Amino acid sequence: KQEVTQIPAALSVPEGENLVLNCSFTDSAIYNLQWFRQDPGKGLTSLLLIQSSQREQTSGRLNASLDKSSGRSTLYIAASQPGDSATYLCAVRNRDDKIIFGKGTRLHILP
Amino acid sequence: KAGVTQTPRYLIKTRGQQVTLSCSPISGHRSVSWYQQTPGQGLQFLFEYFSETQRNKGNFPGRFSGRQFSNSRSEMNVSTLELGDSALYLCASSFGGPINEQFFGPGTRLTVL
Repeated sequence: KQEVTQIPAALSVPEGENLVLNCSFTDSAIYNLQWFRQDPGKGLTSLLLIQSSQREQTSGRLNASLDKSSGRSTLYIAASQPGDSATYLCAVRNRDDKIIFGKGTRLHILP
Repeated sequence: KAGVTQTPRYLIKTRGQQVTLSCSPISGHRSVSWYQQTPGQGLQFLFEYFSETQRNKGNFPGRFSGRQFSNSRSEMNVSTLELGDSALYLCASSFGGPINEQFFGPGTRLTVL
């Protein structure tokens, strides 16, 4: 049974720092992995989608990597800003087509 | 291009009642998935519809059901509401197929009293 874990559950960093969020999964038989951000009380905003055949994806200050063999993905945020404060969630789509989410990392950027 | 829309945004019901939530996907998307989000369990997959057929289902009781119409709009129904059904219900749409990116709506906040 696929399990997705995100550590730490919460993180506070000063503005301007580069940071890395982690996502691990137990079953490497996945189609893809997607990173989202969620602001309080709101829906999810898609950040990056990495297909199982890819190693990384970049969008602006964000870079996501995928290592299927070790069951890990990281989301790198460069030059963090207060507007980056949100909960970041990763989700994997299994080969049985079910999507499993991690519990998220709550990120707070200190001005 | 309009995003995923969900109605209503907020609902208050009492135990034993039933509720219907609606989701309109992004134009051109044929797949709609539903999720339940609670502080304790996080985001859990309910079911996915593609071209009016349920393609996949999570581990929820039969009180949770859904359907999809020919215009790809989807509805989710919860019967005999329980206190534990209080949650944010999110729907997501995509073109369909396992490699496609999902786009989420703002959610419906359901409170069961």
